[in-house]
Amino acid sequence: TQLLEQSPQFLSIQEGENLTVYCNSSSVFSSLQWYRQEPGEGPVLLVTVVTGGEVKKLKRLTFQFGDARKDSSLHITAAQPGDTGLYLCAGVRSNYQLIWGAGTKLIIKP
Amino acid sequence: DTAVSQTPKYLVTQMGNDKSIKCEQNLGHDTMYWYKQDSKKFLKIMFSYNNKELIINETVPNRFSPKSPDKAHLNLHINSLELGDSAVYFCASRPQTGTNSPLHFGNGTRLTVT
Repeated sequence: TQLLEQSPQFLSIQEGENLTVYCNSSSVFSSLQWYRQEPGEGPVLLVTVVTGGEVKKLKRLTFQFGDARKDSSLHITAAQPGDTGLYLCAGVRSNYQLIWGAGTKLIIKP
Repeated sequence: DTAVSQTPKYLVTQMGNDKSIKCEQNLGHDTMYWYKQDSKKFLKIMFSYNNKELIINETVPNRFSPKSPDKAHLNLHINSLELGDSAVYFCASRPQTGTNSPLHFGNGTRLTVT
């Protein structure tokens, strides 16, 4: 079974701090998607990274795809309470099926 | 509004009952999915339909039966409900199955079996 390991599973930090979430696999993906899920709602796409080494920025969020397209990271600068939520990564296999990470529950305390 | 909508939002029922969850998308997507999210928030794919045809059927008890009357609808019927079926069930859609395109999710149905 192809796995996508996401860490940490849970993170609680103060407003203003920086944090990084990681998704790692031993397998290559054609692309990798990051989603955020808020309570009572479904996951919503934040970004898709496609090219090895690609970096995408979404305001204070920086997403990076590993050179070998096996791993990805999400870095949040100066976290705010509005960033609270469940962050999910999903690797897209060569047959376009999605492999999901287990999620990172992020709490930003004011 | 364009969206993936599923009903009901909450479903509380007793063991042994049969229940259905409905899903509709007006995004014009060809592919629809059912996912189960457990208490640890892990998303597990159950079924995938492309233009009304079943293309993914993961190891799911045959008490679960999806039905797609047209490409905009994918319903999920569950027979003889068990305690372990309690979870949040998400419907999702995607423009086409053979692309990097993202999934669009409904807001989930929280099923509680007592």
